[in-house]
Amino acid sequence: KAGVTQTPRYLIKTRGQQVTLSCSPISGHRSVSWYQQTPGQGLQFLFEYFSETQRNKGNFPGRFSGRQFSNSRSEMNVSTLELGDSALYLCASSFELAGGPHNEQFFGPGTRLTVL
Amino acid sequence: GEDVEQSLFLSVREGDSSVINCTYTDSSSTYLYWYKQEPGAGLQLLTYIFSNMDMKQDQRLTVLLNKKDKHLSLRIADTQTGDSAIYFCAAPADGGATNKLIFGTGTLLAVQP
Repeated sequence: KAGVTQTPRYLIKTRGQQVTLSCSPISGHRSVSWYQQTPGQGLQFLFEYFSETQRNKGNFPGRFSGRQFSNSRSEMNVSTLELGDSALYLCASSFELAGGPHNEQFFGPGTRLTVL
Repeated sequence: GEDVEQSLFLSVREGDSSVINCTYTDSSSTYLYWYKQEPGAGLQLLTYIFSNMDMKQDQRLTVLLNKKDKHLSLRIADTQTGDSAIYFCAAPADGGATNKLIFGTGTLLAVQP
């Protein structure tokens, strides 16, 4: 069974641009979560989607948005990029919404975004 | 809300035991996780422990939970160079109602041959 895939793996943008990152979950998984990882702030939750609905949102500005399609693939968008948005963006998929060890989350390799 | 803290760095020699520590704040956490991140990769779930357990052993991994002190540790026996990675402890942010996790800062484990 294929794992979680994220595209692109690496991205370089300039300040003020916008970017779209894609995440394809494991087949059959309906929940997709996004995290931002930076050296200074560590791993921070962005949002979670389940069956095309945003179920949870972290403490990020409105420039960060996302969506989920009917096939469970998810995209996140960052508009008006800032230098501080440089980070590794990870997505994770799981079968169910409710957390717990029985509902393991599988992480993708991430997209490394560099903002110049 | 939940807050999770870890020490930043641990260096051990190959063959020794490694102990990575973590503290958390929300005593209602029903379970706690340990994840591993290797360079250039995402996070891999290593093990977890339910809050009603004190200890869990899984091959070379032993997780100890002290609920009174809200302290969690991960012990890796016979540490190998392949264990060099960043280790994160994590707790559910909302009692497990969703998949949202709060991660610690991560502990970089360096294994010297």
